[in-house]
Amino acid sequence: ELKVEQNPLFLSMQEGKNYTIYCNYSTTSDRLYWYRQDPGKSLESLFVLLSNGAVKQEGRLMASLDTKARLSTLHITAAVHDLSATYFCAVDEDSNYQLIWGAGTKLIIKP
Amino acid sequence: DTAVSQTPKYLVTQMGNDKSIKCEQNLGHDTMYWYKQDSKKFLKIMFSYNNKELIINETVPNRFSPKSPDKAHLNLHINSLELGDSAVYFCASSQPGQPYEQYFGPGTRLTVT
Repeated sequence: ELKVEQNPLFLSMQEGKNYTIYCNYSTTSDRLYWYRQDPGKSLESLFVLLSNGAVKQEGRLMASLDTKARLSTLHITAAVHDLSATYFCAVDEDSNYQLIWGAGTKLIIKP
Repeated sequence: DTAVSQTPKYLVTQMGNDKSIKCEQNLGHDTMYWYKQDSKKFLKIMFSYNNKELIINETVPNRFSPKSPDKAHLNLHINSLELGDSAVYFCASSQPGQPYEQYFGPGTRLTVT
């Protein structure tokens, strides 16, 4: 059974600090997705990582994928309050159109 | 233009009632999904349709019945609502054969009293 584990599940940090969210998965998939969900809102796609070594960056967020280690990271640089949200990673299960989701990381950034 | 839309956005109803949630996507995608998100934010896939055919039917009570009249629409009907059905229900769509990036609707917050 494919499993996707995120850690930490909760993170409270100060503005200006750097931190990393980790996403481990148990399959050989090489497609991984990061989503953001603001409180009371829907899920918004952040990054789609499609191969080993893929790295994508937008603003203060950078995501990377290591398919050999079955690990993706979401790195936050010099965090700002606006990045407070819940971040989900998901892995492609190619055989049946499904994404397998992590439990989400709730990120709170304090001014 | 809204890519994936759901109605209603909020739904408050009493136990035992029957209700429906509607979803439409204008992205031209072949695959649509229903998810349930509980109070702990955990996302649970419920159903998926590809070109109007049911392809994912996870373990959910048979009080939940999806229906896809065409590939742009996927509705969810819930019979005999229970307190535990209170959650946010998200519709999503994707296009198979490409990365399975899913596009989500705004969600329907269902409260059963």
